[in-house]
Amino acid sequence: SSELTQDPVVSVALGQTVRITCQGDTLRSYYASWYQKKPGQAPILVIYGKNNRPSGIPDRFSGSTSGDTASLTITGAQAEDEADYYCNSRDNNVNPVFGGGTKLTVL
Amino acid sequence: EVQLVESGGGLVQPGGSRRLSCAASGFTVSNNYMSWVRQAPGKGLEWVSVIHRGDTTYYADSVKGRFTISRDNSKNTLYLQMNSLRGDDTAVYYCARGTYDFWSGYFPVVWGQGTLVTVSS
Repeated sequence: SSELTQDPVVSVALGQTVRITCQGDTLRSYYASWYQKKPGQAPILVIYGKNNRPSGIPDRFSGSTSGDTASLTITGAQAEDEADYYCNSRDNNVNPVFGGGTKLTVL
Repeated sequence: EVQLVESGGGLVQPGGSRRLSCAASGFTVSNNYMSWVRQAPGKGLEWVSVIHRGDTTYYADSVKGRFTISRDNSKNTLYLQMNSLRGDDTAVYYCARGTYDFWSGYFPVVWGQGTLVTVSS
């Protein structure tokens, strides 16, 4: 199975832009989906595919991929964006895999 | 409205068994990719199992041979039978409805609120 690597902790000043990354060999071929997870709450899908947002997700969330790295960008981070973020993708055997997660702090 | 409600969590002794249920409403489980994902205390999200629309299943190596995913179409309910439970199975277990495409693989779209399973003597 493949691995997806995320920075454990990232911080951003209120209103600024932050990029959360997810690195893995399979990302050269496949897209990542991204989930927001707050304590005591269910995960929420925020980005999937090339750069698609489910209904209800603010347009300050966007996704991109370059080489072996997928990125989730929050443009104009808000206090309510403070959460853990997880990337998810597939390996060459179609098995799903999560990244280790990134804790985002909004200062 | 699409909704998933998990039940069946609780305290289980090591080596014991537990069956989790996930009652679905607003859609049909038989026509969807369904999965279980867990989160151990202080840890990240971990795939447990996926059942495809065609009944193909996937299990994480950590649960293979011990856990079984299934669904009852008449009850529109997803299950996770967990046997030979260990301390490292302690986690909140989430049920999810997802979708699949070749370029993304399987990804959950709608999640339940989760049910806590604690394995301890």
